[in-house]
Parts: sequence; structure tokens; C-alpha cells
Amino acid sequence: DVKVTQSSRYLVKRTGEKVFLECVQDMDHENMFWYRQDPGLGLRLIYFSYDVKMKEKGDIPEGYSVSREKKERFSLILESASTNQTSMYLCASSGGLRTTDTQYFGPGTRLTVL
Amino acid sequence: GENVEQHPSTLSVQEGDSAVIKCTYSDSASNYFPWYKQELGKRPQLIIDIRSNVGEKKDQRIAVTLNKTAKHFSLHITETQPEDSAVYFCAASLNRDDKIIFGKGTRLHILP
Repeated sequence: DVKVTQSSRYLVKRTGEKVFLECVQDMDHENMFWYRQDPGLGLRLIYFSYDVKMKEKGDIPEGYSVSREKKERFSLILESASTNQTSMYLCASSGGLRTTDTQYFGPGTRLTVL
Repeated sequence: GENVEQHPSTLSVQEGDSAVIKCTYSDSASNYFPWYKQELGKRPQLIIDIRSNVGEKKDQRIAVTLNKTAKHFSLHITETQPEDSAVYFCAASLNRDDKIIFGKGTRLHILP
């Protein structure tokens, strides 16, 4: 069974804080993704990565950065959290080298920025 | 870039009836179309997918159809049951990268 885990289920931070969201997958997947999910907007891609130390911007990268130092771990960083970043954050991973494949999601982190 | 439209945003059907969710996509080069189901408080999970070399795929009560000419694809759920209540997302993906573009979701309610 593919397992994708996220470091926190719920997180509350203050405006201006630096926030780290961690995602780990145990299936040796090449590809990892960060989405945010908001009511009425579906799943929007923030950043993705095809390989270690590689990253590409998704549709809404502003205000976020990512880090992939190891294949199994993909971190989403909010350099200076703002209230409009209050959302559900979902990590996903997929296998294969640059081939379209099923994405497996983590349980999500509900982030509230006060 | 690719754009995926999904309709309706909310759908209520009587238990036992069929439900149909429709999606359109903009990039004719898209060739992979997965459907995800997200139950309340849980992560999205793949329920069925179709690739552009087939027109229809079925898995028990769930079927997906693809019309490449019209650039639309649909999810059909027959004999709906209470456990089918969830949010369903369609998505489309190009062959040249792994980005999957999701629709905005359909909240399906199965009425007793």
C-alpha cells in the first residue's frame, strides 16, 4: 500500500511566521506535488517536483517555496504566512520517471493563519 | 495551459438512481483522465481513470466515457448507494509532464 504522510493534520500560525509543511512517501515515487484545497476552487497546484533538488512552479506558487533534499520528502514553506494562506494543504506523490501516473494523496494539513 | 471545467457543482440523486458528472478540457493533447473521490474529512482517492486510446471504461457500478473530438469526459455511477456521497473531482493530464489539472469538484448527495 502506498503511504503518503504529512507532518501535521492541524496547524495554527500567526501572520508573518515561517511555516514548514512536511510530506513523506514510502513508495520511492519520483514525483511529488503540493496542492491547496479551498471550497469552490477544487485542488490547485502550488509546486511539484520530478526529482531530488528539482522543483517547478504550479498554478499558484506566489508566497510559497519548496524543498526536496531527499527523494521521499517534499517540504512546502510559507516564508511569511498571511491570512489568505489559510487553507487545506494536500501533498501527493506518483511513480514513474516523467510518466503520467496515479497520484496518491496524503491526509492533508489544515492550516489556519491568524 | 490546460483548463478543466466540471459540472454540476452539486448533485442530489435518489438512492438507486444513476448519477452523471461531466467535465470538459481545453488542451487536445491531454491524454489521461483520472477521477478522484473525496469523502468528508478524508484524502482524495483515485476511483477510475481513462486514457485517450479508449472511449469507455467500466468498473462495477462506475463507468467513465471519453469523447476526444468534443473534449469532454463523464463519470457515471449506477445504482447509487449512501456510501457514494462524496466530492468527486475530474482531472486531465498531458503526456509531456505529470501535472494533473483538476476540476473544481462535484458534491454528490445520495438521498434516502
